[in-house]
Amino acid sequence: AQKVTQAQTEISVVEKEDVTLDCVYETRDTTYYLFWYKQPPSGELVFLIRRNSFDEQNEISGRYSWNFQKSTSSFNFTITASQVVDSAVYFCALSETLSAGNNRKLIWGLGTSLAVNP
Amino acid sequence: DAMVIQNPRYQVTQFGKPVTLSCSQTLNHNVMYWYQQKSSQAPKLLFHYYDKDFNNEADTPDNFQSRRPNTSFCFLDIRSPGLGDAAMYLCATRRLGENEQYFGPGTRLTVT
Repeated sequence: AQKVTQAQTEISVVEKEDVTLDCVYETRDTTYYLFWYKQPPSGELVFLIRRNSFDEQNEISGRYSWNFQKSTSSFNFTITASQVVDSAVYFCALSETLSAGNNRKLIWGLGTSLAVNP
Repeated sequence: DAMVIQNPRYQVTQFGKPVTLSCSQTLNHNVMYWYQQKSSQAPKLLFHYYDKDFNNEADTPDNFQSRRPNTSFCFLDIRSPGLGDAAMYLCATRRLGENEQYFGPGTRLTVT
């Protein structure tokens, strides 16, 4: 069965601190995709990154970076020099391949609520 | 800008009074999804459409129905809302062959 675990329910940091959000996944698929989404208080889910199972390169986008390690089934997300605007719930998700056509269902973690305090 | 639009952003309905939530997209994506998200929980998939092919999740209550009259629009009908249906309802789209889903801003439903 596919599963995504975000063990950190809530994290609170002070502005400018670095913070890492953990994500561990389980899947039997050899081809899969991992995602991070940000959900600010307004409620909209904002797509941050997609990573496929064949690409273990780490990625950096501004203050955001992602560390994908298949050996430990982890896809961790680090925010460097956090800012108050980073305060949100962050969801990690795994894309499941369905048997019908090309439809893919997302398996979601429970989310990590990040509070960045001034 | 291409986007996913949900109207209204906030909806109040009475217990048992039918309500319809709408979603439109300018992305021309083949696949559309409806999710329900309750407070402090992950989104829960209710349905998805692959073009006009409708797929219902096994645990989606019969009280929830959906329509997709064309590529751009998708509706969520709640026939007899209960207090437990109060939630954020999120619409998402995906282009066939790609993997990421793009979400609308959501409609927050209150049932009184």
